[in-house]
Amino acid sequence: DIQMTQSPSSLSASVGDRVTITCRASQGISNYLAWFQQKPGKAPKSLIYAASSLQSGVPSKFSGSGSGTDFTLTISSLQPEDFATYYCQQYYIYPRTFGQGTKVEIK
Amino acid sequence: QVRLQESGPGLVKPSETLSLTCTVSDGSISSYYWSWIRQPPGQGLEWIGYFYYTGGTNYNPSLKSRVSISVDTSKNQFSLKLSSVTAADTAVYYCARESEYGSGTYIDYWGQGTLVTVSS
Repeated sequence: DIQMTQSPSSLSASVGDRVTITCRASQGISNYLAWFQQKPGKAPKSLIYAASSLQSGVPSKFSGSGSGTDFTLTISSLQPEDFATYYCQQYYIYPRTFGQGTKVEIK
Repeated sequence: QVRLQESGPGLVKPSETLSLTCTVSDGSISSYYWSWIRQPPGQGLEWIGYFYYTGGTNYNPSLKSRVSISVDTSKNQFSLKLSSVTAADTAVYYCARESEYGSGTYIDYWGQGTLVTVSS
């Protein structure tokens, strides 16, 4: 299985901050990488696919980049509704695997 | 806007079979890939497998011997069966839709999730 490793596991940030989360794959996955946002007690929400393509309806403050083994999710200006846990997932090969999550908390 | 809704028992006894159904609204099930993902309490996400409407399946090897996913196109539903459950199968189970991109498929829609507890 491909192992997905996110860093950091958690971070504290203030409203208005620019936040970057990193995801590293244990082998190359081209750009077959998705990002999800999950708030407590809720289902994940799809944010990005193909490493950098925004899902319909997702605000442009979210952006993704990367290819191969290293990827980033950036939130340009953190808002109160963005405090959540973020997961990356590879869909290059089966089984699909997720990162362990990055919890974004209020400073 | 596609909507997915899980249904099924919230409590299953050890060694029995967990059965869940996902109803798809405002979208045809006769296309796309239909998946199940689970999340144990306080933990991360685990992909269980998918069913493609033409009959193809792919399951996580860690669960392959116990899992089955099927689709009922007449009801616009797909189902998960997980046999011989133990406490380790206690989790929130999500159904999801996967869309094709290149040679892969990515999740674009999720159900709200349903908690299944395995306990006697």
